[in-house]
Amino acid sequence: SYELTQPPSVSVSPGQTARITCSGDTLSNQRGHWYQHKAGQAPILVMYKDTERPSGIPDRFSGSSSGTTVTLTISGVQAGDEADYYCQSTVNRDSDPVVFGGGTKLTVL
Amino acid sequence: QVELVESGGGVVQPGRSLRLSCGASGFTFGSHGMHWVRQAPGKGLEWVALISFDGRNKYYADSVKGRFSVSRDNSKSTLYLQMNSLGAEDTATYYCAKDISGSYSFPVSGGIDHWGQGTLVAVSS
Repeated sequence: SYELTQPPSVSVSPGQTARITCSGDTLSNQRGHWYQHKAGQAPILVMYKDTERPSGIPDRFSGSSSGTTVTLTISGVQAGDEADYYCQSTVNRDSDPVVFGGGTKLTVL
Repeated sequence: QVELVESGGGVVQPGRSLRLSCGASGFTFGSHGMHWVRQAPGKGLEWVALISFDGRNKYYADSVKGRFSVSRDNSKSTLYLQMNSLGAEDTATYYCAKDISGSYSFPVSGGIDHWGQGTLVAVSS
């Protein structure tokens, strides 16, 4: 099991809004980060510290946080957004302090 | 631009050792924490190890603690992962990755802003 819980899959039609959630106790006081990963490619950071968007990431991508859940929202979904998305955070302990969620497969119908 | 290039992967027999390297360029290597993250076939991303900017602090996943060792040579802008007692469960693509922060104190990760293309490690007899 994972300390960060994500839905295995999310499906949306082009132009619609996709919301991917990530839940875990550590998120109540630690920031969450999001990665887009396409097969055969290196993962890409699409959101960090809950709501910060790296340069080069379209403003269609946004992040939010509430309680023990962080959410990645992709507005106006495009076919090129189809990928696996992973959340990541930290846990205050010496062993295994960095954790990833299990990943969410975003399918653009 | 930031570039991370992993090397050293390959096929290795169970119980043997392997050392991965990651050459970095395009940023001040000695100012950032560095991770190893792996992905087994058909599975999700799994964090493996993190070393602070100065090499003093090292952190490991429970699944590799005692078998893997992370190190760095800031004079050569190179990150290493020494993997001992390899088992089938270690078969994966291993990514070298740069943290936004120096990873010296908690929270040890401010997000991972650059990743290498990965190197495949296959443990098989």
